[in-house]
Amino acid sequence: AQSVAQPEDQVNVAEGNPLTVKCTYSVSGNPYLFWYVQYPNRGLQFLLKYITGDNLVKGSYGFEAEFNKSQTSFHLKKPSALVSDSALYFCAVRDLDNYGQNFVFGPGTRLSVLP
Amino acid sequence: KAGVTQTPRYLIKTRGQQVTLSCSPISGHRSVSWYQQTPGQGLQFLFEYFSETQRNKGNFPGRFSGRQFSNSRSEMNVSTLELGDSALYLCASSLELAGGREQFFGPGTRLTVL
Repeated sequence: AQSVAQPEDQVNVAEGNPLTVKCTYSVSGNPYLFWYVQYPNRGLQFLLKYITGDNLVKGSYGFEAEFNKSQTSFHLKKPSALVSDSALYFCAVRDLDNYGQNFVFGPGTRLSVLP
Repeated sequence: KAGVTQTPRYLIKTRGQQVTLSCSPISGHRSVSWYQQTPGQGLQFLFEYFSETQRNKGNFPGRFSGRQFSNSRSEMNVSTLELGDSALYLCASSLELAGGREQFFGPGTRLTVL
């Protein structure tokens, strides 16, 4: 069965500092990995995805994520945080080799960027 | 291009009633998925429709059902509402069966069951 863990409920970072939001996953096959962001009273917005290829994936709003197969991780990063990055972040996985499997989302990490 | 739209945005019902939620995907998108989001359980997959056929189903009771029309619009129905059905219901569309394609989410319908 697929699963996604986001070990931190909350991440606090000062504006201008680098940020990392952690994600680890478990799938039986090869993973499709995604990051989404949710602002208050809004649906989820797609940030980036890893399907295949370079382990470092660049996405929207200056975010990037690094796929690490040996550690089964897909941490989200940004070199310099903005107050406007404060939101709820979700990591999601879909099993490439089991097409009938659904997206599984992590529990979410609330990012607070302090001015 | 217009995004995913969901109607209504807010809904208040009482226990035992039924409710129908609607989702219009992005033009050209043929896959529609539904999710339930609650503070306790997070985002849980309900079902995915493609070409008017349910392709995947999550672990929800039969009170939760859906359908997709020929224009890819989708509806979700919950019968015999329970207090625990109070949640934000999100619809997401993608070009094809989601696979490696990203999903585009609507703003959600917030259902409150009293």
